Amino acid sequence: QKEVEQDPGPLSVPEGAIVSLNCTYSNSAFQYFMWYRQYSRKGPELLMYTYSSGNKEDGRFTAQVDKSSKYISLFIRDSQPSDSATYLCAMSEGYSSASKIIFGSGTRLSIRP
Amino acid sequence: DAGVIQSPRHEVTEMGQEVTLRCKPISGHDYLFWYRQTMMRGLELLIYFNNNVPIDDSGMPEDRFSAKMPNASFSTLKIQPSEPRDSAVYFCASSYYGQPQHFGDGTRLSIL
Repeated sequence: QKEVEQDPGPLSVPEGAIVSLNCTYSNSAFQYFMWYRQYSRKGPELLMYTYSSGNKEDGRFTAQVDKSSKYISLFIRDSQPSDSATYLCAMSEGYSSASKIIFGSGTRLSIRP
Repeated sequence: DAGVIQSPRHEVTEMGQEVTLRCKPISGHDYLFWYRQTMMRGLELLIYFNNNVPIDDSGMPEDRFSAKMPNASFSTLKIQPSEPRDSAVYFCASSYYGQPQHFGDGTRLSIL
């Protein structure tokens, strides 16, 4: 079993819809949770970064962490065609750059105009 | 401000050949990471450096892979001899302590 599980999709929704992306994990020592966005033929870019359980909002994006269920989510409101990309969840035990980040396999998202 | 720069962007070579991938991290960053991305295994950490010193190379698949960082502005990942199963996208990332990692746009490697 992988440490981090993520549905690969693809997920296709109409413009303006609310998108929900999810990951589950098995390592209870994970404390830091991230979402990266990766456009085609580009490197991943950090979208959201949260510590421990709770919600974090940034514009149209909300990250949610439920450590008791080992489940994290990313919600995108008022989705736009420019949101079409692969979204990778990622997590680590520590905050420092020396703490290994484990990535999910990514969910491919397509927003239809 | 320039991001992480990787070269070449694409590499196609025959099995058995030596392959060298290059990375220039963001100036001032003291951590450098090499990742490999495949459909089957996703994004995997191969090795990372701190202040030009290799810290953890446990992700390097086998002895055919080696990485160096001769100075703060340059790193290489070498595969010798290359095999078809090494075909993947290789990413370099850099960061300053405690800050998020910034990724380059990767090298798409195909071994025939």
